[in-house]
This record gives sequence, structure tokens and C-alpha cells, in this order.
Amino acid sequence: EPEVTQTPSHQVTQMGQEVILRCVPISNHLYFYWYRQILGQKVEFLVSFYNNEISEKSEIFDDQFSVERPDGSNFTLKIRSTKLEDSAMYFCASSESLNRGRETQYFGPGTRLLVL
Amino acid sequence: KQEVTQIPAALSVPEGENLVLNCSFTDSAIYNLQWFRQDPGKGLTSLLLIQSSQREQTSGRLNASLDKSSGRSTLYIAASQPGDSATYLCAVFINAGNMLTFGGGTRLMVKP
Repeated sequence: EPEVTQTPSHQVTQMGQEVILRCVPISNHLYFYWYRQILGQKVEFLVSFYNNEISEKSEIFDDQFSVERPDGSNFTLKIRSTKLEDSAMYFCASSESLNRGRETQYFGPGTRLLVL
Repeated sequence: KQEVTQIPAALSVPEGENLVLNCSFTDSAIYNLQWFRQDPGKGLTSLLLIQSSQREQTSGRLNASLDKSSGRSTLYIAASQPGDSATYLCAVFINAGNMLTFGGGTRLMVKP
């Protein structure tokens, strides 16, 4: 069964460094998302992406964050200058459509980011 | 702003028991509602999606209901098994944006 994959599974970085989290969405899906979950807290929406542009973003997704679909398969989240409070599990998700029963979002296994 | 709440936060039951997990949301203008399972340190597995026009969805031993007007959904698990132990999350997809707003989850422990 097709699944969303994410790399790396764990990333440790120093405060102020740039990190890129990578995702390969399900191949026939058109909508892509990033969420994060700080330890012990709710899963929070960061950004959604469709047709090579951001369609929605939350207050968390400030200028330090960016997303890109560099080729036909990868979807990346870049944090330009990491802060301690960016430490979280980052989940990528994808969906086929936004309607007609095809809007189920499928999540990847996550990347655990630790900022020291 | 949409708020999603799940009660109880934790639940421990003996194997074989039928159980109900609750989810409530403050803004009834939802597009759909999705239930997920999350195992410790792992990703989210989609269990069921209910569209706003539907009242319930079933998958195996799971049955999810939706009462949009009262802002509530329930996940019914029949004949619980130790393998059902996990955190169960509900999330709503609001009309204004194509993003999921999550509840805090119910941590379920099914004891053999």
C-alpha cells in the first residue's frame, strides 16, 4: 500500500543552524501538508501546498520556514535558523483531493527534530 | 477559532470491552472529521473519515459517528484488544482552510 515517507527519522542540530526535512508524498496525491507536534502537545498545522504554491499557512509558519517541491516526488520543509522551541516531531501528509471522499490525509512517520 | 477537545484524556479497559471515545469541536462549520491512531513515537494512521453530510462510518470493529449540529463525534471500538492500545486523535477539516485541527487525543490502554 502506498505510504508517505520522511527522512531523516531523527535530526539533531545546533541553534541557529538550517535544517531541511524531506518527504515523499503518495505519488498520485496533489495536496501536501506539514504539521508538527511538540512533545506532550497537540498536533499543529503548519502549511499546506498545492500546485506549487502555499495554499494555507498558520501563525507558526513565519519567515524562518519555507516549503518547496523541488522535483516531481519530494516535498521539503526548511527551517532557516533553528530555535530551541522548534524541537518537535514534524509530520508530512498528503491527500489526493479536497473533495468527493478523497480528502483523507495520510501521514508519514515523522522526523524528530532536536535543537540544542 | 476552532477548538477540538477529546475526553477522556486517558482510558484503561480490560480486553473484550466495548468502549466509546469522545470528540467535541466548537465551530460546527466543518468539512469533514478524521480519526487517527498514534502509537508512541510514531506517525498518525488514518482510521476513518466522516464527511459533514454523513452520520457515521464503519471500518471493522470501529464505528465513528458525527453530530455536526452539536459539535460532537464518537469513536466506538467493539471487543477491544491489547493491540488497540494507542492514542486516538480526532481532527476536523474546516471549510475556511484545507488544514486539520487536532484534539489532544485519548490515550487508550487495553489490558489482557
